[in-house]
Amino acid sequence: DAKTTQPPSMDCAEGRAANLPCNHSTISGNEYVYWYRQIHSQGPQYIIHGLKNNETNEMASLIITEDRKSSTLILPHATLRDTAVYYCIAHPYSGGSNYKLTFGKGTLLTVNP
Amino acid sequence: NAGVTQTPKFQVLKTGQSMTLQCAQDMNHNSMYWYRQDPGMGLRLIYYSASEGTTDKGEVPNGYNVSRLNKREFSLRLESAAPSQTSVYFCASSVEQGAYGYTFGSGTRLTVV
Repeated sequence: DAKTTQPPSMDCAEGRAANLPCNHSTISGNEYVYWYRQIHSQGPQYIIHGLKNNETNEMASLIITEDRKSSTLILPHATLRDTAVYYCIAHPYSGGSNYKLTFGKGTLLTVNP
Repeated sequence: NAGVTQTPKFQVLKTGQSMTLQCAQDMNHNSMYWYRQDPGMGLRLIYYSASEGTTDKGEVPNGYNVSRLNKREFSLRLESAAPSQTSVYFCASSVEQGAYGYTFGSGTRLTVV
């Protein structure tokens, strides 16, 4: 898996958009960008993934730059319950032995009232 | 509810004791994983099973063994527990092609004294 770089922490005001950046400059052509989050004491939760097009689901939006070297996860209206560690992972879609997710230290997002 | 179920949720062991952590998923996923998480660190892969009948070492396999009992169940065994194995253990599963991300259990908090 390609190495990803995230800021260790970020703050966001409740109700505002939270924009979490991730750098993955060595990402290869078959690697998707996945985002997970981990709320304190719980197991990680899958949020969204994408290859090169922007993606949106009920939880978040994912914006991937045209050169695919970086991405941004957007929580459009952050709530206190979105306070968590957010992990950005570059991982092949399928095939061979590429089933293993490599988690870094992620970004601690704190949503403030 | 569909998902990954881990038992027990909490466990205290004495050094040298053995125990097995149980994990079961009901989503018909082919691949299953065991991770550990220590304070201030990301998740580290212990063992994984790409499909029923196969298991492979991850990043930190020493001191552990696994059994893929059937498609649903993947257990992690500590033969002789050590204080360094004090951690939170997460089991996860994914469809073979990894299309929709990984589903994690709620974790087992293990303390070895």
